[in-house]
Amino acid sequence: DSGVTQTPKHLITATGQRVTLRCSPRSGDLSVYWYQQSLDQGLQFLIQYYNGEERAKGNILERFSAQQFPDLHSELNLSSLELGDSALYFCASSVGGGPRYNEQFFGPGTRLTVL
Amino acid sequence: DQQVKQNSPSLSVQEGRISILNCDYTNSMFDYFLWYKKYPAEGPTFLISISSIKDKNEDGRFTVFLNKSAKHLSLHIVPSQPGDSAVYFCAASGTGTASKLTFGTGTRLQVTL
Repeated sequence: DSGVTQTPKHLITATGQRVTLRCSPRSGDLSVYWYQQSLDQGLQFLIQYYNGEERAKGNILERFSAQQFPDLHSELNLSSLELGDSALYFCASSVGGGPRYNEQFFGPGTRLTVL
Repeated sequence: DQQVKQNSPSLSVQEGRISILNCDYTNSMFDYFLWYKKYPAEGPTFLISISSIKDKNEDGRFTVFLNKSAKHLSLHIVPSQPGDSAVYFCAASGTGTASKLTFGTGTRLQVTL
């Protein structure tokens, strides 16, 4: 158990819908990272928040947005869903503000299926 | 553009033998490399890392080798155990535009009895 929790575990929805994925970081970690893993792909970095502020952005679509709340939990909002958005979405957390030299602890992921 | 490549999608090794997982990268800005291990239905777990100032880092049965001139790193597991069966991801980060963690596509290792 990494200490990072993600809800829900599974999500099935239809094209055009909007969903919210939730992540609670390890106690004491200030950074939250979101990753997308599609079939046979590596983990693609989407976005990072550090202590409530956006710190880095990766290949995140405009239809996707995220935020980190004062209690440090984070939510990833996916809207106007398309079939291609079906993937595993992982959240990770770390103590520091950057990926270098800061071990990231991953949650178990949310499997999103768009029908 | 796949900046971190794991060209072997799968590898099968007998218990007790050495497992060698390979990873190549193209971005010369990368200076910190990590290996993650992932079991089904779980998130990736950090295994071992290496900074570009070193060419080898060892932790128990796991050793990572870095060849900067070839932009290549490898993970050696000796001896391999059935519990090592998992998907292994290589990841890299650096400075500036390379500061985010970039993952390879993973290699599925199966350790057989």
